[in-house]
Amino acid sequence: EDQVTQSPEALRLQEGESSSLNCSYTVSGLRGLFWYRQDPGKGPEFLFTLYSAGEEKEKERLKATLTKKESFLHITAPKPEDSATYLCAVQAGGGATNKLIFGTGTLLAVQP
Amino acid sequence: DGGITQSPKYLFRKEGQNVTLSCEQNLNHDAMYWYRQDPGQGLRLIYYSQIVNDFQKGDIAEGYSVSREKKESFPLTVTSAQKNPTAFYLCASRQGDEKLFFGSGTQLSVL
Repeated sequence: EDQVTQSPEALRLQEGESSSLNCSYTVSGLRGLFWYRQDPGKGPEFLFTLYSAGEEKEKERLKATLTKKESFLHITAPKPEDSATYLCAVQAGGGATNKLIFGTGTLLAVQP
Repeated sequence: DGGITQSPKYLFRKEGQNVTLSCEQNLNHDAMYWYRQDPGQGLRLIYYSQIVNDFQKGDIAEGYSVSREKKESFPLTVTSAQKNPTAFYLCASRQGDEKLFFGSGTQLSVL
């Protein structure tokens, strides 16, 4: 069964303290891995798409990487405005549908 | 600006009542989706539609119904058969294998 697991469930950082969020997956043929940011009471906001192992994407303080089994979202020198829930989703290659499978998210709190 | 509009932002349902959540997109996307989000849980797929006049059940379709009469519209009805409807509902759309675009969500609560 296709599955996506995110860890940790929650993470508290001091401003400037770099860290990484993990998204591990077991799917039958990866067609894409997506990272989203979600603020309370709002819809998820797209961050990155990764398609193949070894691929990396960067945006401001965020960098996403991908291996054959997991993806990391690295946060360098975070600021309080980076506080949000970060969601990971994968699209499997099997079947005729294009559904995404979401993890449960990591709630990040950055304290000044 | 292109995007997805969900309405209302907040909705209250009385026992035995059906309620309909609106979702409109002007991105010209073929596929549209409805997700349910509960605290501490990931997004769970309720229904999706890849083309007008066609839709498929997701993982938690019981107690919900949808229609796709127009490409830009994908309303979700929460029926009285859904015994635990309190949740945050998200509508999304995409083209092919590209990223999902999400609306701002509707918070449904039971009176």
